[in-house]
Amino acid sequence: GAVVSQHPSRVICKSGTSVKIECRSLDFQATTMFWYRQFPKQSLMLMATSNEGSKATYEQGVEKDKFLINHASLTLSTLTVTSAHPEDSSFYICSARVLAGVVGGEQYFGPGTRLTVT
Amino acid sequence: AQSVTQLDSHVSVSEGTPVLLRCNYSSSYSPSLFWYVQHPNKGLQLLLKYTSAATLVKGINGFEAEFKKSETSFHLTKPSAHMSDAAEYFCVVSDYGGSQGNLIFGKGTKLSVKP
Repeated sequence: GAVVSQHPSRVICKSGTSVKIECRSLDFQATTMFWYRQFPKQSLMLMATSNEGSKATYEQGVEKDKFLINHASLTLSTLTVTSAHPEDSSFYICSARVLAGVVGGEQYFGPGTRLTVT
Repeated sequence: AQSVTQLDSHVSVSEGTPVLLRCNYSSSYSPSLFWYVQHPNKGLQLLLKYTSAATLVKGINGFEAEFKKSETSFHLTKPSAHMSDAAEYFCVVSDYGGSQGNLIFGKGTKLSVKP
């Protein structure tokens, strides 16, 4: 149980275009989903926290107009990288936190999406 | 504020020998601590977690970690390394008690296992 999927697993896009990444909790409902970014050989940096039905909370230094997050349901959150540039190339990982009291509020991580902007 | 320090960026062991990955934390609260493993180009898998129950925590794949409050440490160990253990390991602290908080990641330790 507690499986999180991401789609696509890897994407290549041209500079200036937008790309959408989906994060789904497959067998549980998630009140909160998190988006992380991981540069090569570095740790995960939290980008934003999204709660179903409300606006995402972005970490300091993350451009909310560039990284659009939508959490439309308890099983789906999307991250859209708008007007992508080569410096946006990275590994994006989402996680989902189960409803408190059901499993215990633990975060479960997706397999990640490798974005390459050319 | 909560933080976590992984003392070694790279650890190399021989197959069959013990593994020790070191982690120290700083927390204003009773922390929840986790170890995650990440294989190349893969997502993170939870190895084990400490949430104020038993101080010696057993995880998957033979890993365990001991919470030592006096030393503010949460080192990860395994008696005998396997080739498949080669991966990146992250020590993580929750930013407030229980499993409700955001996660703060250490910089990671790359474990290499030699045949």
